[in-house]
Amino acid sequence: GAGVSQSPSNKVTEKGKDVELRCDPISGHTALYWYRQRLGQGLEFLIYFQGNSAPDKSGLPSDRFSAERTGESVSTLTIQRTQQEDSAVYLCASSLVGQGAEAFFGQGTRLTVV
Amino acid sequence: AQSVTQPDIHITVSEGASLELRCNYSYGATPYLFWYVQSPGQGLQLLLKYFSGDTLVQGIKGFEAEFKRSQSSFNLRKPSVHWSDAAEYFCAVGAHQAGTALIFGKGTTLSVSS
Repeated sequence: GAGVSQSPSNKVTEKGKDVELRCDPISGHTALYWYRQRLGQGLEFLIYFQGNSAPDKSGLPSDRFSAERTGESVSTLTIQRTQQEDSAVYLCASSLVGQGAEAFFGQGTRLTVV
Repeated sequence: AQSVTQPDIHITVSEGASLELRCNYSYGATPYLFWYVQSPGQGLQLLLKYFSGDTLVQGIKGFEAEFKRSQSSFNLRKPSVHWSDAAEYFCAVGAHQAGTALIFGKGTTLSVSS
């Protein structure tokens, strides 16, 4: 597609439920990032995929969070047993890999846990 | 570990006045440096980036930034601010080698007064 696509754009879920967020990166982009942006906060790095390398999961806040990526295409971020503090905008970005490659961001998924 | 500090959480400038947003980074290797802007209700857009060469880089919308290795800084400047520049600005650092994620600062909110 022309840009990074994320779905759903908004998600309201009950505390304790599992949620899945989807990211379709730009075709040909081998790098994919997930970030979390809480209200009034900066971008918190969650996980990074690059090609067939092992993902960098160092930013995942707890074992309730996991992410998968199929080859160099779609990625899903799963949050199990959601808590109210998980409420945030989840941003996905993709890029080529190389000198100074720009990360292109999706519009994000706004997750509200009630 | 790499980190980015944006010391100013919120700045207000008058329309037509000059602007400087500060960014300091901590990185063990030669960094790539980026400035992104997030306008209300919009996704993140790249303003400019530095990865080598001339330390003064020009970006879109009349912005520029200067890389100062000795000060570990990459401050964003604009000579004359427009009301439409009101937004949140994020500085980010990445590595030259593949396989590492972009790390963002917490952002600076810019308000423009008339």
